[in-house]
Formats: sequence, structure tokens, C-alpha cells
Amino acid sequence: KQEVTQIPAALSVPEGENLVLNCSFTDSAIYNLQWFRQDPGKGLTSLLLIQSSQREQTSGRLNASLDKSSGRSTLYIAASQPGDSATYLCAPSGAGSYQLTFGKGTKLSVIP
Amino acid sequence: DTAVSQTPKYLVTQMGNDKSIKCEQNLGHDTMYWYKQDSKKFLKIMFSYNNKELIINETVPNRFSPKSPDKAHLNLHINSLELGDSAVYFCASSPGGFGRGRDEQFFGPGTRLTVL
Repeated sequence: KQEVTQIPAALSVPEGENLVLNCSFTDSAIYNLQWFRQDPGKGLTSLLLIQSSQREQTSGRLNASLDKSSGRSTLYIAASQPGDSATYLCAPSGAGSYQLTFGKGTKLSVIP
Repeated sequence: DTAVSQTPKYLVTQMGNDKSIKCEQNLGHDTMYWYKQDSKKFLKIMFSYNNKELIINETVPNRFSPKSPDKAHLNLHINSLELGDSAVYFCASSPGGFGRGRDEQFFGPGTRLTVL
């Protein structure tokens, strides 16, 4: 059974800082891994999808890396902005049902 | 031009009632999902559905049943509601069928269910 851990649970940084969010998973037999953001009271917005054969994926100020063999992924946010404040969720897609397993998220606060 | 939509956004009901939540996607996707986010914000898969093939998470009570009138819709029916069913329910979709595990999933805005 896949288990996903995200560290830290919460993070507060001043505007402009670069930051890294960590995700680890126990079963390395994944097809892909998605990073989402969730704003309070809202749905999930897909940020990046990394295929199991890829090591990195970039979108704007976001860069996600994947080390499948060690069961780790990181989300790097450059030059953070107050609008980046949200909960960030990591979700690998497993074999069999291709369903996502979610971590509990990292709640990010970017202070102006 | 909402991609994945859910109705209602809020649902308040009494214990023991039967209720439904509707989900529609206009992305032309082949696979749809239902997820539950509990009070601790933990998000868990409930169902995956593709072309009449249903995969059920083993922890989901049989009071919950997904129904798909067509490829663009996957509704969630809940019988005999219990207090513990209170949560936010999210619908999602992805382009490919089962076996296309590389696909990105897109989520709806969620339905907040409160059982009194």
C-alpha cells in the first residue's frame, strides 16, 4: 500500500525567497507523480506532472524533480510571491488502478 | 467553459437520507474519479471509472455507488447517510483509459457535504 509523506507540514517564508517542498513515497512502482495546489475552500489545481521516466519538469517558477528509485520528489518554487500561499499536495499514481495517493500536504505562507 | 464541474457546491442533510452529487467534464476524457477529503484535509480515492469498468477502493462502504449515464458524467449516490460521511467530495477526470497511467488528472471544485 502506497504511503506518501510531505515535509514540512507548514512553511512560512518572506516574499522573494526560493523554497523546496519535499515528498516521499514508499512504493516506487509508480506511473507518474503530480503536484497540486489547493487554496482554502477550493478544489485542486494541477501544477506539474512528471512521468516515471522523467527526472524533472518545469513550469514557470516551478520545478519538480523525481527520483523514483529512492521514492522522492521535490517541488522548487523560485522567487516566491504572496499569491503562492496555498497547500501543496504531492500525489504519485500507482500501478493497477492508476489512482492517485495523496500526501497530507505542505501549507505554504509567503509573507509580503 | 468549466472543465470539471460538480453540483451542488454545498449539501446539508439529515442522517439516514439518500443523496446524490453530480459531476460533469467537458474535456472529452475517458476516465473519471471520486475522491473524499475528510476533516483533517486528507484526500483519498474512492472510485475510478472508465468505459463501464469500475475500480473501488476497498475502504469505501457499499452505501456509496457511482453511476455514469455517459462518458462525460459520473454521479455519486450515497444511501443512508451517516455523520462520518461529512466531508468534501471531489470529482476528477483524466484523458486516457485504464492502462494510460501517465495521464494528468483534473479536479472539480468540490462538494461540501454536511450530515446532521
